[in-house]
Amino acid sequence: QLQLQESGPGLVKPSETLSLTCTVSGGSISSSSYYWGWIRQPPGKGLEWIGSIYYSGSTYYNPSLKSRVTISADTSKNQFSLKLSSVTATDTAVYYCASSRGFLEGLYYYYAVDVWGQGTTVTVSS
Amino acid sequence: DIQMTQSPSSLSASVGDRVTITCRASQSISTYLNWYQQKPGKAPKLLIYAASSLQSGVPSRFSGSGSGTDFTLTISSLQPEDFATYYCQQSYNTPPSTFGQGTKLEI
Repeated sequence: QLQLQESGPGLVKPSETLSLTCTVSGGSISSSSYYWGWIRQPPGKGLEWIGSIYYSGSTYYNPSLKSRVTISADTSKNQFSLKLSSVTATDTAVYYCASSRGFLEGLYYYYAVDVWGQGTTVTVSS
Repeated sequence: DIQMTQSPSSLSASVGDRVTITCRASQSISTYLNWYQQKPGKAPKLLIYAASSLQSGVPSRFSGSGSGTDFTLTISSLQPEDFATYYCQQSYNTPPSTFGQGTKLEI
């Protein structure tokens, strides 16, 4: 059974870079079945998709964050990571790592997030 | 970006009630629509994908319908464990994969 676990600092100073890692167990990040990604949720607010990486190394970012985001993978450790630069207080949120897979319906695949990490709270404050 | 708008933002209901939540896309997304349930302090859980397909293990009282721009999530008979926040998400045009703002279902 696929499981994801986030790790990283819970407190980041303004203007610095937020760095989080997601460790995958029960499956391989080299699998072509999944996209591996990050989603965040500011306190009391809704969900925001940050971006994803595919086993091929292709990355997909939310245009609103693209200039500050890097998602990478380390297949030797079965981990993928998020870096968000130049953070401000508005980046304070619970950050979830997540895996999306395609569900075959008829002739088409429909992608949905079916496995989530437990989430890690990151506060941006001096 | 495709905008997703849910209504209502909050909803009060009782155990046994039939409840419907609506999600509208700013442009047609065919049936590339997912529904999630989130309880306080927990990660969201996938309920429905492809607008109407029930994820494995999800009770049959949950159902989804719609295509194009208008979608609904229906809970046929509310159970105590169903009180949570529900989000829709489009997977038609990514990036970005956008979520609705959420509907909080309260007693």
